Amino acid sequence: DIQMTQSPSSLSASEGDRVTITCRASRVIRNDVAWFQQKPGKAPKRLIFAASSLQSGVPSRFSGRGSGTEFTLTISSLQPDDFATYYCLQYNSYFWTFGQGTKVEIK
Amino acid sequence: QVQLVQSGTEVKKPGASVKVSCKASGYTFIDFAIIWVRQAPGQGLEWMGRISTYNSKTDYAQNVQGRVTMTTDTSTNTVYMELRSLRSDDTAVYYCAIWAAEDAYFDYWGQGTLVTVSS
Repeated sequence: DIQMTQSPSSLSASEGDRVTITCRASRVIRNDVAWFQQKPGKAPKRLIFAASSLQSGVPSRFSGRGSGTEFTLTISSLQPDDFATYYCLQYNSYFWTFGQGTKVEIK
Repeated sequence: QVQLVQSGTEVKKPGASVKVSCKASGYTFIDFAIIWVRQAPGQGLEWMGRISTYNSKTDYAQNVQGRVTMTTDTSTNTVYMELRSLRSDDTAVYYCAIWAAEDAYFDYWGQGTLVTVSS
């Protein structure tokens, strides 16, 4: 199976901060990565697909980059609504895998 | 509007089976695959598998393969996920979702179904 190592597992940040979350794949997966946001008690919401394509309706402060084995999700200016848990997902192989998640908390 | 509506909360004993339904509406059912994702209490997301609503082809995660079956009913636009030989670590919220790999306008999830496995 392809492992997705996500870091950090949690971070504290202030409104307006720039935040970057990283996922590293255990082998090359082209750009077959999506990023999700999840709030407590809610279903996940897809933010990014194909590593860098923004889902319709998602604010432009969210961006994704990467190809091969290293992928990042960046929030350019953290807003109150962005405090949540974020997950990467690789869908390149037969077995898909999520990263372990990054909880973004208020500093 | 596009909706995925899942069946309700289940409580099962270890060794039993559970079958969760996911009824789709508001779009052409066979256009997109459905994926199943679960989340144990306080834990992360776990991909369980996917099913093509077009030809019923399935792919299952290794850790549930042999215990899970996903099926579709195109007459009612419903997808089912059955998990057998339940264990306590199968206790989780189970989500179905439309998988539109390269479609920026399609991201829809069911409301989640809590399955509790307890003796």
